[in-house]
Amino acid sequence: EAGVVQSPRYKIIEKKQPVAFWCNPISGHNTLYWYRQNLGQGPELLIRYENEEAVDDSQLPKDRFSAERLKGVDSTLKIQPAELGDSAVYLCASSLRGNYNEQFFGPGTRLTVL
Amino acid sequence: QQQVKQSPQSLIVQKGGIPIINCAYENTAFDYFPWYQQFPGKGPALLIAIRPDVSEKKEGRFTISFNKSAKQFSLHIMDSQPGDSATYFCAASPDYNFNKFYFGSGTKLNVKP
Repeated sequence: EAGVVQSPRYKIIEKKQPVAFWCNPISGHNTLYWYRQNLGQGPELLIRYENEEAVDDSQLPKDRFSAERLKGVDSTLKIQPAELGDSAVYLCASSLRGNYNEQFFGPGTRLTVL
Repeated sequence: QQQVKQSPQSLIVQKGGIPIINCAYENTAFDYFPWYQQFPGKGPALLIAIRPDVSEKKEGRFTISFNKSAKQFSLHIMDSQPGDSATYFCAASPDYNFNKFYFGSGTKLNVKP
């Protein structure tokens, strides 16, 4: 079974440019997460979806970040405009709905903002 | 504010040694404590998890010890191998938002042959 797929794997952009990340979760997983992982730190939740509904976006910087999960499957995370401090690895994870179900993480997208 | 504090930041042991990684928390609503293993260029993967109704859980060479009164938990890796070299993260999830995970800052483990 395929795991969580993310693309691109790496992205280098100039500051103030837009950037988008794509995630395809494991088939059948209702819950999808976007995390940001700064160098040497643990992942921090940006947004969590249950199907197509964003149920927790309290940590998403809404002035520049947006996300969508159309049809409750694939998801896109966008940053516009990017800032130097946005350089990080952006991880997507998915799980079945329910209490404490295992999250399966994708390999992440490493973003470098110059 | 870091909800889960993890130490040490890095750890070097010889093959066969028993590295121990510690985590502490304050939020008494946390009631699920997973540990994740992350290799370079990969996403974290669930290793083992514990609920506070038990004080210890073993899966293969990995053991979680849990001290509810002290609000601390730790990961022990028995008979460590060079293939265990990775970054380990503890995490915690509260009972009022069971799919929200707060991660520690990670411990980079190097097991020398």
